[in-house]
Amino acid sequence: GAVVSQHPSWVICKSGTSVKIECRSLDFQATTMFWYRQFPKQSLMLMATSNEGSKATYEQGVEKDKFLINHASLTLSTLTVTSAHPEDSSFYICSASASASRGTDTQYFGPGTRLTVL
Amino acid sequence: RKEVEQDPGPFNVPEGATVAFNCTYSNSASQSFFWYRQDCRKEPKLLMSVYSSGNEDGRFTAQLNRASQYISLLIRDSKLSDSATYLCVVNPKGAGNKLTFGGGTRVLVKP
Repeated sequence: GAVVSQHPSWVICKSGTSVKIECRSLDFQATTMFWYRQFPKQSLMLMATSNEGSKATYEQGVEKDKFLINHASLTLSTLTVTSAHPEDSSFYICSASASASRGTDTQYFGPGTRLTVL
Repeated sequence: RKEVEQDPGPFNVPEGATVAFNCTYSNSASQSFFWYRQDCRKEPKLLMSVYSSGNEDGRFTAQLNRASQYISLLIRDSKLSDSATYLCVVNPKGAGNKLTFGGGTRVLVKP
C-alpha cells in the first residue's frame, strides 16, 4: 500500500520558537495533502488542505500566518508552527491523496508528529 | 449538532464476543463512508469502506442506512488485538477529498 512518512515523530520546543514538520509520500505522487490536529481524547480536526504548487486552503478558525504550509512538490508538504505556544501542543497528522488515476478519495495517513511546547 | 457523532464508549467486550456500534451523520448528501481504526498515540488506519449494500471483511461487517443517516460496525469473535478506537469517517458531497471524522468509539476487549 501507499506509504506516507512524517518527520520528526516527536518534538519538544520552547515557547516562541518555530517548528517545521515534514510529510512525504514515499511511493506515490500526492496531488493533495491534508494536515490534521488531534488533541487528547478528541477526534482529528482538519486544519488545511494543500495542493502541489498552490496556496493551502485553511479551515475556519485556523490561522494561516501561524501554521504555514508549503507543498512544493508532489511528494512533500511541510507545516511550520510559528511562534509556538503551549496550547499548540498536539498530535499533528498529515495525509496524502493519490492522483485521480488511483482514486480520488483515498487518504493515506502519516504516523503523526507529537509536538510539546514548554 | 456535530457532523459525525459516535458513542465514545468504552465498550468492554469479552474476548470472543460480538460488539456493534453506530455512528450518525448530519449531511444527508454525504457520499462516502469509512471506518478507521486508531490505536493509542498512533495514526488512523483504514479498516474498511462502507458500501450501500453493506459489506463484510472477515470478522468485520459494516452497514449503511441512508434513510436514518447512520452507519454501523459489527465485530464478531472479538480478539484482544481489536482493542482500539474506531473512527467513523464521512466524505460529504461537494467537499472534494475532505474527510470528516467522528470522535471515535473506544473498544476494550478483555480476556
